[in-house]
Amino acid sequence: AQSVAQPEDQVNVAEGNPLTVKCTYSVSGNPYLFWYVQYPNRGLQFLLKYITGDNLVKGSYGFEAEFNKSQTSFHLKKPSALVSDSALYFCAVRTRYNNNDMRFGAGTRLTVKP
Amino acid sequence: DAMVIQNPRYQVTQFGKPVTLSCSQTLNHNVMYWYQQKSSQAPKLLFHYYDKDFNNEADTPDNFQSRRPNTSFCFLDIRSPGLGDAAMYLCATSPDPQGQLYEQYFGPGTRLTVT
Repeated sequence: AQSVAQPEDQVNVAEGNPLTVKCTYSVSGNPYLFWYVQYPNRGLQFLLKYITGDNLVKGSYGFEAEFNKSQTSFHLKKPSALVSDSALYFCAVRTRYNNNDMRFGAGTRLTVKP
Repeated sequence: DAMVIQNPRYQVTQFGKPVTLSCSQTLNHNVMYWYQQKSSQAPKLLFHYYDKDFNNEADTPDNFQSRRPNTSFCFLDIRSPGLGDAAMYLCATSPDPQGQLYEQYFGPGTRLTVT
């Protein structure tokens, strides 16, 4: 079975500081990893994904994530947080063996304070 | 712009009164999904269609049904809504079932209130 864990329910950072939202995964086989962001009363928006290749993936809105196979992690990062980054962030994983089974983490609420 | 559209954005229904939520897409994707999301929790997959093939999740209650009359439209029917069915319902699409490389494209969601 595949799963993802987001160990922090809430992350608070000051505007301009770097942010990290953590994600660890458990899969059989090669993982395909995704980050989504959700603003209040909206659907999920895709940020970035790791499929293969370079472990550092760059995505929308200045976000990036690093795939670490030995630590089974895929943490989301941004060098300088904006107040507008405040939202709910979901990590998700799927594998080639079950294409329609995208498993989402429980979500992390990011609050960026001015 | 190609997109996933959900109507209505907010729906209020009475306990036990059938309700239908709709989703349409202009992406021409083969796969359409319905998720239930409660209180900022992780979205929970209810079922999905690959073209006209319907795939139900094992733990989706029988109270939830779906229809996909064509590629563009997909409906979620809740036959007898209970208070526990109040949630955000998210529709998503994906190019094809072999597309594990692909992200899913989500609509804005319909927030269902049951009174």
